[in-house]
Amino acid sequence: QSVLTQPPSVSGAPGQRVTISCTGTSSNFGAGYNVHWYQQLPETAPKLLIYGNSGRASGVPERFSGSKSGTSATLAITGLQAEDEADYYCQSYDTSLNSWVFGGGTKLTVL
Amino acid sequence: QGKLVQSGAEVRKPGASVKVSCKASGYSLTDYSMHWVRQAPGQGLEWMGIIDRTDSTTKSAEKFQGRVTMTKDTSTSTFYMELSSLRSEDTAIYYCARDSWGGHPKNWFDRWGQGTLVTVSS
Repeated sequence: QSVLTQPPSVSGAPGQRVTISCTGTSSNFGAGYNVHWYQQLPETAPKLLIYGNSGRASGVPERFSGSKSGTSATLAITGLQAEDEADYYCQSYDTSLNSWVFGGGTKLTVL
Repeated sequence: QGKLVQSGAEVRKPGASVKVSCKASGYSLTDYSMHWVRQAPGQGLEWMGIIDRTDSTTKSAEKFQGRVTMTKDTSTSTFYMELSSLRSEDTAIYYCARDSWGGHPKNWFDRWGQGTLVTVSS
């Protein structure tokens, strides 16, 4: 059971917009800690996608955007492409656990 | 910019220990702290611990306390993570992941190693 809650899977057709949610609690997002997002392509290491709620990492297309409000965060991908098919993880810090924490991951399928 | 290259796959028997290395290049080790993260087969990411960029103090997740040892060798720019008393549930890919700066809780992981598969099997 992950501290941050993500849907196990989402899907969309090429060109569409999809969103991935990440729900936290008062001990992480609610305590003022930011959300960061990582993309993990099949059989590769995770890669930083979004930092500090909405900052895009170097080289990340503008199609990817992030936001956070209260105890929830969202990763949005517009103009979906086949190469976006991957697992996506949100990450933050939890004051109750006194540790960095991840969401369970969301598998994005491009139909 | 920074690159992290990890050691190769390892196989261990239950009860043994394993030591994974992570060689950093392209930046100064005193500028960034380093995390260790693992991923069991078909599962999500799990934070294990962090070693401080300046004084090498460490902090680990509660479930690994007493079993994980994180060190660094500044002379070779290499980080190490040793996990002891291995059990089958420790079978996973282990990643080193660079902190975005000094290990502040608001930081993120900006560079990742390629991962090291550790298999625990009798």
